[in-house]
Amino acid sequence: QSALTQPPSASGSPGQSVTISCTGTSSDVGGYNSVAWYQQHPGKAPKVMIYEVSKRPSGVPDRFSGSKSGNTASLTVSGLQAEDEADYYCSSHAGSHYYVFGTGTKVTVL
Amino acid sequence: EVQLVESGGGLVQPGGSLRLSCVVSGFTFSSSWMNWVRQAPGKGLEWVAIINLDGSVKNYLDSVRGRFTISRDNAQNSLSLQMNSLRADDTAIYYCVRGSDAAFQSWGQGTLVTVSS
Repeated sequence: QSALTQPPSASGSPGQSVTISCTGTSSDVGGYNSVAWYQQHPGKAPKVMIYEVSKRPSGVPDRFSGSKSGNTASLTVSGLQAEDEADYYCSSHAGSHYYVFGTGTKVTVL
Repeated sequence: EVQLVESGGGLVQPGGSLRLSCVVSGFTFSSSWMNWVRQAPGKGLEWVAIINLDGSVKNYLDSVRGRFTISRDNAQNSLSLQMNSLRADDTAIYYCVRGSDAAFQSWGQGTLVTVSS
């Protein structure tokens, strides 16, 4: 299994939106509605922001949204705020209790 | 409050062994699938292993299968990872993580394993 493909970086000004893609195959992203997104600030543990493609855990702002089309999932952060600057990773179930993460995207708030 | 606290990391020589432990509180451990996820310095996240509620189902990243063993003790609310035949590319922060198909929902702060001579 290979890592899911994410762009290395993305950026936007405060108040703008940024969308991050996560591309896999029909054996992972395309085959299951088990895509999740994680936010990781430097030196901290990851935090789940989206699960099951588009669901938000309690406490996650509704500025964060997720979607999926075919083998590509996306995370959109609307109304960018300074505290959104972080690394973001996607993950997907890849069959038979096997999981794969994305390569990670560094989001910069300009 | 959900807490997962890892321990056991450190410096080990190539070919050596190390046992990581994770003690949890704030949720029903015996009702939770558990995982180990690692992150090499400056790199991305990599899922390592998963174990089901009673320990009867386990699976591993291909590169660690046969070298690492995940186990759990529901009476002690603890998760372990026995790591043998360690290699330099096993150097990483190892996170204890609750979750499965839907998401990895709760994470510890991690313990650093360094494999070097």
